[in-house]
Amino acid sequence: EVQLVESGGGLVQPGGSLRLSCVASGFAFSSFSMSWVRQAPGKGLEWVSYISSTSSTIYYADSVKGRFTISRDNARNSLYLQMNSLRAEDTAVYYCARRGSLYEAAGSLDYWGQGTLVTVSS
Amino acid sequence: QSALTQPASVSGSPGQSITISCTGTSSDVGGAYKYVSWYQQHPGKAPKLMIFDVSNRPSGVSNRFSGSKSGNTASLTISGLQAEDEADYYCSSYTSSSTSWVFGGGTKLTVL
Repeated sequence: EVQLVESGGGLVQPGGSLRLSCVASGFAFSSFSMSWVRQAPGKGLEWVSYISSTSSTIYYADSVKGRFTISRDNARNSLYLQMNSLRAEDTAVYYCARRGSLYEAAGSLDYWGQGTLVTVSS
Repeated sequence: QSALTQPASVSGSPGQSITISCTGTSSDVGGAYKYVSWYQQHPGKAPKLMIFDVSNRPSGVSNRFSGSKSGNTASLTISGLQAEDEADYYCSSYTSSSTSWVFGGGTKLTVL
């Protein structure tokens, strides 16, 4: 069974930093690209960042570019999101999600974690 | 990229069919690649992939869910509505040139 478990969320002051983690199990983590997607309270989904299976390709949404850094450790089956210079508008539940394989659902995020809440407030 | 446009809410009675639309542009939904997906999200839960590549269902998803696309508008149809279908539904389009995803604003489905 595919499982994605996020952690690291919490309350942080504006301008502060936080590092989110996502531990994967039930599939060959090193063979799949991953993404972070966030959802502000009562709002819709917003794609945040993408990293390929070998970390060779990385993309960010304009709203977080220059402040957030995505990374992964395939030996630890783990995905990370380093968030710096946090703003109130970054308050959201952050989900890690697996991109579908090249053979099925390559343009989709086929499995999602339960999310971790990040609150940016003084 | 701007968010895709979905109706804020739709409703239907058990057993009926409903359709949720998702309108984008020729750069996303209407693009050459058929990378339109639909996600279901129950309150407090993670999104679940229901449709990928416009009209394909992942293993385990009921065949009551179907997807289609015409021009810049994609649609999700749920037939034989059941109480458990009450949830928020999001469409999404993948852009290969920048490996990014754009989502619709979400549609709240109420089963009367």
